[in-house]
Amino acid sequence: DTGVSQDPRHKITKRGQNVTFRCDPISEHNRLYWYRQTLGQGPEFLTYFQNEAQLEKSRLLSDRFSAERPKGSFSTLEIQRTEQGDSAMYLCASSPRSGQFSTDTQYFGPGTRLTVL
Amino acid sequence: AQRVTQPEKLLSVFKGAPVELKCNYSYSGSPELFWYVQYSRQRLQLLLRHISRESIKGFTADLNKGETSFHLKKPFAQEEDSAMYYCALRARSGGGTSYGKLTFGQGTILTVHP
Repeated sequence: DTGVSQDPRHKITKRGQNVTFRCDPISEHNRLYWYRQTLGQGPEFLTYFQNEAQLEKSRLLSDRFSAERPKGSFSTLEIQRTEQGDSAMYLCASSPRSGQFSTDTQYFGPGTRLTVL
Repeated sequence: AQRVTQPEKLLSVFKGAPVELKCNYSYSGSPELFWYVQYSRQRLQLLLRHISRESIKGFTADLNKGETSFHLKKPFAQEEDSAMYYCALRARSGGGTSYGKLTFGQGTILTVHP
């Protein structure tokens, strides 16, 4: 499967624990995005990278959240001191960047479902 | 700030009937509009974008800047069209460079009955 992959697919944790998710984008896609989706809502943007540079962060991304893409390939999203409100599906997407009038398509992974007890 | 509104959470039609999924947006600049679809137990995938002006699986969508709408239409719905549909917007600068993030609506669950 050459699509975007995410690991783990499901994570159950207790409030206050730290969790880390991984996203592997499509090979040679230099843009990588993180979104969060809660029940009944559309995906909400969290952050995105172009290569290893984090170009934008949403206000949704509190100080407990950190994302990295150290080598411009895979990315990790860490949530520290999880809260019940963090329970959601965390989606990763990647895209190529095709110039000024960018028509790049974002390809989504299957998501990681986080449940905080 | 940008916002996407899909007024219908649920939409049911019978096979062969026309279907229209509504999408309205608010954004002061020049947007790119997309429709994404998620079939049961599958990942989110792009259905179509306004720039391409193409028909995918019989679906079309026209960007109406006057009404700030991007409704998705299909003249004859099929059972396999049953899915969750999301309208999404990406901001674009006056120079044409896009800002990467997508802003999604809440989604519409389309059910096509036999």
